[in-house]
Amino acid sequence: TQLLEQSPQFLSIQEGENLTVYCNSSSVFSSLQWYRQEPGEGPVLLVTVVTGGEVKKLKRLTFQFGDARKDSSLHITAAQPGDTGLYLCAGPLLGGAQKLVFGQGTRLTINP
Amino acid sequence: SAVISQKPSRDICQRGTSLTIQCQVDSQVTMMFWYRQQPGQSLTLIATANQGSEATYESGFVIDKFPISRPNLTFSTLTVSNMSPEDSSIYLCSGEKRGSFYNEQFFGPGTRLTVL
Repeated sequence: TQLLEQSPQFLSIQEGENLTVYCNSSSVFSSLQWYRQEPGEGPVLLVTVVTGGEVKKLKRLTFQFGDARKDSSLHITAAQPGDTGLYLCAGPLLGGAQKLVFGQGTRLTINP
Repeated sequence: SAVISQKPSRDICQRGTSLTIQCQVDSQVTMMFWYRQQPGQSLTLIATANQGSEATYESGFVIDKFPISRPNLTFSTLTVSNMSPEDSSIYLCSGEKRGSFYNEQFFGPGTRLTVL
């Protein structure tokens, strides 16, 4: 059973389009993190959302944490080829051990 | 951000042999972890590396197959023992950011292992 369900798992769009990636769970998380990974490298932390309903913006990327802290979304506006990569949501379960549960990942390709 | 290095970056090994992967972190991390990742897929936690004591393994991973050491705060090794082709994967070490309330982690670049 996957504790964090990410969708879509694959997404290929044209430069300039908008997209949203979803991360859903039936469990409550104390926080959720989004990472981006490029080939040959380790994941790099983009943002952490902590409070239910929180919205954070990182240039063209908007991250939202659900009110019940069970889900999160990543919205990219006017996608660029440099946004291509594997996007991973992850978080520690509320009341759980100090380790991260990872979603399956979304492989995003932005075509010029 | 923390600096985490791993070596080797890649290796091709024969079935039945063992490979030890080294991970060096700087002082900006506290806990250390080892993950396995199939190319293009998500990360699976192998174990938490504990300083000076036995690692804490996740379900499906055992010490005999993946012995881990962490002799000090900034260094850890993962050995993949008696390898088979099914062990071909990317192995990543990570460190939890010091002072983080939210278990944020920094990752090394990974070791790409191919077992023939």
